Amino acid sequence: EVQLVESGGGLVQPGGSLRLSCVASGFRFRSYSINWVRQAPGKGLEWVSYISSSGTSIYYADSVKGRFTMYRDNANSSLFLQMDSLRAEDTGVYFCARDAAAGLNWFDPWGQGTLVTVSS
Amino acid sequence: SYDLTQPLSVSVAPGQTATITCGGDNIGIKNVHWYQQKPGQAPVLVIHRDNNRPPGIPERFSGSNSGNTATLTISRAQAGDEADYYCQVWDSRTNVFGPGTKVTVL
Repeated sequence: EVQLVESGGGLVQPGGSLRLSCVASGFRFRSYSINWVRQAPGKGLEWVSYISSSGTSIYYADSVKGRFTMYRDNANSSLFLQMDSLRAEDTGVYFCARDAAAGLNWFDPWGQGTLVTVSS
Repeated sequence: SYDLTQPLSVSVAPGQTATITCGGDNIGIKNVHWYQQKPGQAPVLVIHRDNNRPPGIPERFSGSNSGNTATLTISRAQAGDEADYYCQVWDSRTNVFGPGTKVTVL
């Protein structure tokens, strides 16, 4: 079964840092691009970042550029999102989502999400 | 940046047809994908590349895309179709989601 499992969420103060993880199973991880997508409480989906299968291409939403860093460990089928200088507006559920295939920019499947709360 | 618009909400009677639009500048030349999200759950892909259903998605779900509007159509709506629906496109090294449409079956 193709599966993505996020972890690392929690409560952090404004200005603090957090690292999210996403572990993949059931498919050849090194062949797929992956994205982070977040959802603030009661709000819609917001794309956060993308990393290519090799890790050489990484793109970010303007709202997180310069504060978040996405990277991957293909040997361990893992994906990470290092979040620094966190703000209240970064609060939400963070999902990792796989691109369907190389060059096919739709998301399937998604993980179940991990909740990040930025508050003092 | 590329912006997408969707109606905030759509209501449909059971057995009838719900139509959800996704507006964007010349969106007809892009590939549009649609997701269903039920409360407390992760989104699920229901349509990719305008009008293609993934395995396991009922034929009642269909899509189209032309000009400045993409459309998701839910035929013979059921109570289980109640959810938020989001359109998504890829533009200039970013993924863009629409604001979402809440579909109510009543």
